[in-house]
Amino acid sequence: AQKVTQAQTEISVVEKEDVTLDCVYETRDTTYYLFWYKQPPSGELVFLIRRNSFDEQNEISGRYSWNFQKSTSSFNFTITASQVVDSAVYFCALDSWGKFQFGAGTQVVVTP
Amino acid sequence: DTEVTQTPKHLVMGMTNKKSLKCEQHMGHRAMYWYKQKAKKPPELMFVYSYEKLSINESVPSRFSPECPNSSLLNLHLHALQPEDSALYLCASRSGTAISYEQYFGPGTRLTVT
Repeated sequence: AQKVTQAQTEISVVEKEDVTLDCVYETRDTTYYLFWYKQPPSGELVFLIRRNSFDEQNEISGRYSWNFQKSTSSFNFTITASQVVDSAVYFCALDSWGKFQFGAGTQVVVTP
Repeated sequence: DTEVTQTPKHLVMGMTNKKSLKCEQHMGHRAMYWYKQKAKKPPELMFVYSYEKLSINESVPSRFSPECPNSSLLNLHLHALQPEDSALYLCASRSGTAISYEQYFGPGTRLTVT
């Protein structure tokens, strides 16, 4: 069985603060892919990043960065210098030769 | 272009009505998905079409009937729905069926059943 856990239900920060979203996954497969999606209030899920199980390189894209650690089965996401437009629900997801499994999501609230 | 379109944006229907949701993509993707999302919950997979054939049905009640007329279109036919079926219905597509590909989501149809 596979599972994705996002333990943080909601994180509130003030603009310009950094925020880190945790994602822990479980799978018995050796080949799998991890994803992060953003869902703003408008409802559309926006793809942010994909990482395969054989590539543990961290990635930075602008103010976003991702830390993949296979040893701890974690794929954490950091927003640096947060902005109000970052307010959204963020989902971590796992695809492991089967269904696309979402975590419960973390609501990020950025106040001016 | 990574656009998936869905119509209508909003739909209000009575429990005896028949309506359809429509999803379209022109990215040449061969896998298409229907998800249901309740407020403050993650999307739940309903159906998967792979190369226009239904490959996954997550034990969805028969009042939801999917249809994939061609590789670009995906419909969800609704009949005799219940108030608890009120939710955001999301369509997604993916290039091929390999797990290495990300899914691209449409903006969703917000359905209210009265």
